[in-house]
Amino acid sequence: AQKITQTQPGMFVQEKEAVTLDCTYDTSDPSYGLFWYKQPSSGEMIFLIYQGSYDQQNATEGRYSLNFQKARKSANLVISASQLGDSAMYFCAMREPPAAGNQFYFGTGTSLTVIP
Amino acid sequence: GAGVSQSPRYKVAKRGQDVALRCDPISGHVSLFWYQQALGQGPEFLTYFQNEAQLDKSGLPSDRFFAERPEGSVSTLKIQRTQQEDSAVYLCASSLRTVAPNEKLFFGSGTQLSVL
Repeated sequence: AQKITQTQPGMFVQEKEAVTLDCTYDTSDPSYGLFWYKQPSSGEMIFLIYQGSYDQQNATEGRYSLNFQKARKSANLVISASQLGDSAMYFCAMREPPAAGNQFYFGTGTSLTVIP
Repeated sequence: GAGVSQSPRYKVAKRGQDVALRCDPISGHVSLFWYQQALGQGPEFLTYFQNEAQLDKSGLPSDRFFAERPEGSVSTLKIQRTQQEDSAVYLCASSLRTVAPNEKLFFGSGTQLSVL
């Protein structure tokens, strides 16, 4: 079974609008971390935001927020006020604790295009 | 250096040739991961080191793939007798510690391997 599922291969958003990128995950471990990374055409993976499994509140980092619904095992990324520079691939990832292997699992990504 | 450094940035190999990809993690980072990213896909786990110990190599696709980190810093991923299906971007990532799910990965820019 896939650990991380991203069902949107491509998304388009108008500049200055908000967009939600979907992510669901699968784990039986109660302790885990959820991450979003951005990969522009240059190839480097850039960390955006983190959500811990025990965190009560949704994480926010500037224009990025994470809509964490634990019971549904979803961790959607919300980008507010989209900018042209937000056009990139976005990957959702999960880290399991050392006892479970300490691995990072990535989804297949969502390609976001911001339209002027 | 300030970030994770990978070399070479691009590598073209003839089928059957051996290649070596180098990763210089952030100084002091204990954990080091190698990922393989095919075109249009998310990173797929290859192997994981904690200091010099290779704790997980379950993602290595065949015995032609070998990774080492002899002194717990620089790591080398070696691919013997390269095949066309080995063509991909190879990403290296490091993190400071091992025990916390909130430890994010810092990525290098990757090595793009093309096997002709």
